[in-house]
Amino acid sequence: EVQLLESGGGLVQPGGSLRVSCAASGFTFSSYAMSWVRQAPGKGLEWVSTISGSGGNTYYADSVKGRFTISRDNSKNTLYLQMNNLRAEDTAVYHCAKREDKIFAYWGQGSLVTVSS
Amino acid sequence: QSALTQPRSVSGSPGQSVTISCTGTSSDVGGYNYVSWYQQHPGKAPKVMIYDVSKRPSGVPDRFSGSKSGNTASLTISGLQAEDEAGYYCCSYAGSPTFWVFGGGTKLTVL
Repeated sequence: EVQLLESGGGLVQPGGSLRVSCAASGFTFSSYAMSWVRQAPGKGLEWVSTISGSGGNTYYADSVKGRFTISRDNSKNTLYLQMNNLRAEDTAVYHCAKREDKIFAYWGQGSLVTVSS
Repeated sequence: QSALTQPRSVSGSPGQSVTISCTGTSSDVGGYNYVSWYQQHPGKAPKVMIYDVSKRPSGVPDRFSGSKSGNTASLTISGLQAEDEAGYYCCSYAGSPTFWVFGGGTKLTVL
């Protein structure tokens, strides 16, 4: 059974940094691209970033490019999102998702990141 | 404002059918056959219900169907059941540099 468990969310001041993690199990982690998708309170879903299975290719939404960095440790079956220079509009639940071709096939329940002074 | 446009809410009685629309552009919905639909119950993780416009993952009831015409995709749920009450989000591949766009979500109420 595929399981994705996010952690590391919390309250951070504008301009601050935070790293969220996603522990994966139930599949061969290194064989799949992984993504982060966020959901602001009461709002829709927004794709944030994707990383290839090997970690060699990364992709970002324009809204986070230059501030966020996606990475993975295949030896630990863990996905990361390092978020720097955070803004109020980054407040959201951050979901990790297992990609299967052009599908966000499995999702975690998410980790809440709140950017506020 | 989300990239794809969905109605904020739809409703139907048990046993009826409802259709949720998802309107994009020729750069996303109209340009690729990579539209997917996700169901999300409050406080839960999203779950894929339809992918590649009209394909159903194993385990998803055949009451759920998808289609596309031009720049608009649609999700139809027939034989509504109480457990179908949830939020529904469409998603489309949009190629580089945008990659993925989502709709704002539609809340389905089963009356």
